[in-house]
Amino acid sequence: DQQVKQNSPSLSVQEGRISILNCDYTNSMFDYFLWYKKYPAEGPTFLISISSIKDKNEDGRFTVFLNKSAKHLSLHIVPSQPGDSAVYFCAASKAGSYQLTFGKGTKLSVIP
Amino acid sequence: EPEVTQTPSHQVTQMGQEVILRCVPISNHLYFYWYRQILGQKVEFLVSFYNNEISEKSEIFDDQFSVERPDGSNFTLKIRSTKLEDSAMYFCASSPRQVVKLFFGSGTQLSVL
Repeated sequence: DQQVKQNSPSLSVQEGRISILNCDYTNSMFDYFLWYKKYPAEGPTFLISISSIKDKNEDGRFTVFLNKSAKHLSLHIVPSQPGDSAVYFCAASKAGSYQLTFGKGTKLSVIP
Repeated sequence: EPEVTQTPSHQVTQMGQEVILRCVPISNHLYFYWYRQILGQKVEFLVSFYNNEISEKSEIFDDQFSVERPDGSNFTLKIRSTKLEDSAMYFCASSPRQVVKLFFGSGTQLSVL
C-alpha cells in the first residue's frame, strides 16, 4: 500500500547546487502535502507544505511544486548546504482526515 | 522554540509485557498523535486524539493499544501485551490545528525481546 512514493532512496548533491527531491502519490483524495526533514536520533521536522489549490509554495531556500494532473510533487533546495544532509519525507493528507501518509524517504547528502 | 518531549528515549521489554510510552505535547496544541517507524520502513500513523477522545486510528492500532491524556500535559501510548513486531521507533506529535504542521518528538525506541 504505497499511496505516497519516493522512488529515490538517496541523492547526492554538491554544496551550492540545487537539490530536487521527488514524490508521487496515487490517492486523488489527498489535498494537502508536507515535506519533513529528519536527522538521525531526532523526530521529523516540518519544512514546508502546500495545499492542492496551489501549484507552488516558497519559503526561503525551499520551494515545493505540485502537479496535480501528474500526482507529483517536488521539493527544491537552492542553494544546497551541508547542513541540509538528512532524510526527507514527503507526506500527504485527505480532507477531514487526521492522519498523514508518509513516503519512505530520500536520504540527501550535500557534499562540501 | 517549544518542543514535544518523549520519555524514555529507549525501552527494552520482554514479549508479553505491558509498556507505556510517554509524551508531553506542546502546551497550546489541541491535536495529538502517535506514529511509529519500523526499521527500514516508512513512518506509519497509529492514532490521533482530539477533545479527549480518539479521532482516528489505523488498522495497526488494535485492542492491544490504548492512548490516554491523564492530565493537562501528558499523552501516553500503552501497549498491553507486546509482540516482537511492535519493535519500532514510536513518535509522538502534536499540532495546533488538524493535521497542519505536526511537531514531532525525538521518539522512543522500543525493543521487544
